Amino acid sequence: DAGVIQSPRHEVTEMGQEVTLRCKPISGHNSLFWYRQTMMRGLELLIYFNNNVPIDDSGMPEDRFSAKMPNASFSTLKIQPSEPRDSAVYFCASRRATGAVNTEAFFGQGTRLTVV
Amino acid sequence: SQQGEEDPQALSIQEGENATMNCSYKTSINNLQWYRQNSGRGLVHLILIRSNEREKHSGRLRVTLDTSKKSSSLLITASRAADTASYFCATAGDFMRFGAGTRLTVKP
Repeated sequence: DAGVIQSPRHEVTEMGQEVTLRCKPISGHNSLFWYRQTMMRGLELLIYFNNNVPIDDSGMPEDRFSAKMPNASFSTLKIQPSEPRDSAVYFCASRRATGAVNTEAFFGQGTRLTVV
Repeated sequence: SQQGEEDPQALSIQEGENATMNCSYKTSINNLQWYRQNSGRGLVHLILIRSNEREKHSGRLRVTLDTSKKSSSLLITASRAADTASYFCATAGDFMRFGAGTRLTVKP
């Protein structure tokens, strides 16, 4: 398996533009996480999907952020409009969750977003 | 919150020495996991310890878990320069939240 695949790896955009980050989880995994990492705030959980359904989006900072998971093999994180303070590395992770047993999570390589 | 908090924030040692990092958490757990992050990369899973286990080994890694104190420790023995990274614990409930991590530097 190729692991969790994120695209693009790097994105530079101007303030006010729409940004879409993409994630392909590992086949067979039914849980997907989006994280944001900055020096100041560390690794923040933005949203968590289970079986394609958003379970907890309390970490999504503002209405400018939205995430979708239309099927088990694809998820997007969209920022519209983007602002310089959104600059960070965004990680997607997936894992297989069966009942009360949660397995290890696998992370993608991340998307480094710079908003100028 | 199911977030783990790592301690110390930073640790610098010489190659060959042992490194110990600690994690404290607040809620009851099914298991606790340790991850490593090399600079600019995604997190990589190291080891998982279940709530009914007290100690687990994997190569040069040794993890302990004390559920009565809600704490865990990660010991890396005979450290190498390649162990330089940030280490995170996660109390693996549904929401997989991470603490600030311990930044380990192993000097050659």
